[in-house]
Amino acid sequence: AQTVTQSQPEMSVQEAETVTLSCTYDTSESDYYLFWYKQPPSRQMILVIRQEAYKQQNATENRFSVNFQKAAKSFSLKISDSQLGDAAMYFCAYRSAGASGSRLTFGEGTQLTVNP
Amino acid sequence: EPEVTQTPSHQVTQMGQEVILRCVPISNHLYFYWYRQILGQKVEFLVSFYNNEISEKSEIFDDQFSVERPDGSNFTLKIRSTKLEDSAMYFCASRFRPYGYTFGSGTRLTVV
Repeated sequence: AQTVTQSQPEMSVQEAETVTLSCTYDTSESDYYLFWYKQPPSRQMILVIRQEAYKQQNATENRFSVNFQKAAKSFSLKISDSQLGDAAMYFCAYRSAGASGSRLTFGEGTQLTVNP
Repeated sequence: EPEVTQTPSHQVTQMGQEVILRCVPISNHLYFYWYRQILGQKVEFLVSFYNNEISEKSEIFDDQFSVERPDGSNFTLKIRSTKLEDSAMYFCASRFRPYGYTFGSGTRLTVV
């Protein structure tokens, strides 16, 4: 079974600075998807960014980018120019690309605080 | 932008009672999911549903749980006899493309 590990329960960053959230995963599969979700206090799950494992290029969405290291099974999220609205719980998630499974497997989450 | 709608937003129930959590997925989505999140813990997969049947379920999804798509638009999760440990946030999600999951806002279930 796949597992996802987020080793940083809490992180903090100054407004306008850059922060990187870590995620590692364990899988024997070669084709899969990786995601970062944001969960603000409202507890809604909001997709931040996704990465297809077959793509070597790291995904970018505005101030959010990932560092995908397939061999190391690492998938970190970089938030540039942090804003107060970025404060939330961030979850890393894995999904097999195989037809048999489409569940998302989540990590434990990282609580991000943005200091003014 | 289309949304996944969940009702109610908060439900309080007595232990041993049956509850039904309701979800309206996005209309052209084909795959439907239930996840739960116990307060302060990770989000856990419960069940996936495709083509009017369960396609995958986790070990959490035991005989006390059932899902149904009664009318082609609603997607429900029933817990037959609630326990205190069922208290959690329950999220419905749907998708069309392999990676296009959309989550609802969740139902906070409190079992007393």
